[in-house]
Amino acid sequence: DTGVSQDPRHKITKRGQNVTFRCDPISEHNRLYWYRQTLGQGPEFLTYFQNEAQLEKSRLLSDRFSAERPKGSFSTLEIQRTEQGDSAMYLCASSFFGIQETQYFGPGTRLLVL
Amino acid sequence: TQLLEQSPQFLSIQEGENLTVYCNSSSVFSSLQWYRQEPGEGPVLLVTVVTGGEVKKLKRLTFQFGDARKDSSLHITAAQPGDTGLYLCAGARTNFGNEKLTFGTGTRLTIIP
Repeated sequence: DTGVSQDPRHKITKRGQNVTFRCDPISEHNRLYWYRQTLGQGPEFLTYFQNEAQLEKSRLLSDRFSAERPKGSFSTLEIQRTEQGDSAMYLCASSFFGIQETQYFGPGTRLLVL
Repeated sequence: TQLLEQSPQFLSIQEGENLTVYCNSSSVFSSLQWYRQEPGEGPVLLVTVVTGGEVKKLKRLTFQFGDARKDSSLHITAAQPGDTGLYLCAGARTNFGNEKLTFGTGTRLTIIP
């Protein structure tokens, strides 16, 4: 299967701990997106990369959040000093930049902060 | 702030019935996507509509993009239990790729056998 993969699928952590999530996009895709989805809501945009460049960050992305895509392939999303409000599903999507591109989503990482 | 409002939020109907889900906004989008999401999984793309007034059919699903590209609808004919899921509309604002998608609030559909 060559779809978008995310690791881990589930993460339980205590408040104040740091967590890191990984996303592996579809191999030929040059754009990678991170979204956050809380219970009962649609996903909300966090940030996106084109190759290794981070082109936009949402105001939702506080300074405790950092995302990287060092070689333009996989990406990591780190949350420092987690808070209970960070509990959500973190979704990654990838696409190939062009006219009417389509974003393909991974299965998500569900984070629970106790 | 969700710029796309979906209605209804919840819908539970009997197998074989027809239904329509609406996605409305005051903003214009260059394209609009519909996704279906199963519990614990990421959204799966169903269709992309681009042109105002466009209608696309996917088996028993019919998608329409409003003339002004501000709203969309999803109509399911003869619903089946396999149609159960969370339906999300998502709008993009650029003609050069989706960039950030703005998602609707979602419609949770349950088809009762």
